[in-house]
Amino acid sequence: NAGVTQTPKFQVLKTGQSMTLQCAQDMNHEYMSWYRQDPGMGLRLIHYSVGAGITDQGEVPNGYNVSRSTTEDFPLRLLSAAPSQTSVYFCASSHRGGEKLFFGSGTQLSVL
Amino acid sequence: DQQVKQNSPSLSVQEGRISILNCDYTNSMFDYFLWYKKYPAEGPTFLISISSIKDKNEDGRFTVFLNKSAKHLSLHIVPSQPGDSAVYFCAAKGADKLIFGTGTRLQVFP
Repeated sequence: NAGVTQTPKFQVLKTGQSMTLQCAQDMNHEYMSWYRQDPGMGLRLIHYSVGAGITDQGEVPNGYNVSRSTTEDFPLRLLSAAPSQTSVYFCASSHRGGEKLFFGSGTQLSVL
Repeated sequence: DQQVKQNSPSLSVQEGRISILNCDYTNSMFDYFLWYKKYPAEGPTFLISISSIKDKNEDGRFTVFLNKSAKHLSLHIVPSQPGDSAVYFCAAKGADKLIFGTGTRLQVFP
């Protein structure tokens, strides 16, 4: 049982480059979300989705795009990477919005 | 503006003693509260939760207390064990969003 799978685990980008962080879950969860973790800031919500075709902004959405074409996948796109986006990114899912999230193991992103 | 706050960045407790982690929130619309535990290089894992209609929930060594009038919740770990050493995040649910605090690093020493 894989749970929530994130790829890649590590990534280094140059300022201005774009990339997509992948997230897939095999638990048939309706709700999925993306967080970033920064020292002293805790986990901050970037975007979330309550079901396929539905997405909404979290606390820190600027510079990120998401889409939810299937129940299983919820990719996070960085349109033009900036050093301020250096962080650890976590994808999470749950049956219902905001309750008992299951997290992936994270993607460590560095933007130079 | 931080809606969920953990004012103690770190806590050190001797093995066998009680660990008390605290969390404050500002939004009275939050209806569900959770605690997560995180080890280095891993994602957070769910620990225990409490509905806003309750004031206490217990699961083995872990107990969460909720004081709605003070907008405060706490996590008690009794007895503390070295394997409990991790970062603990409190979280509050409102309108399909789970908002996390900044975390408290707990170290349990022998």
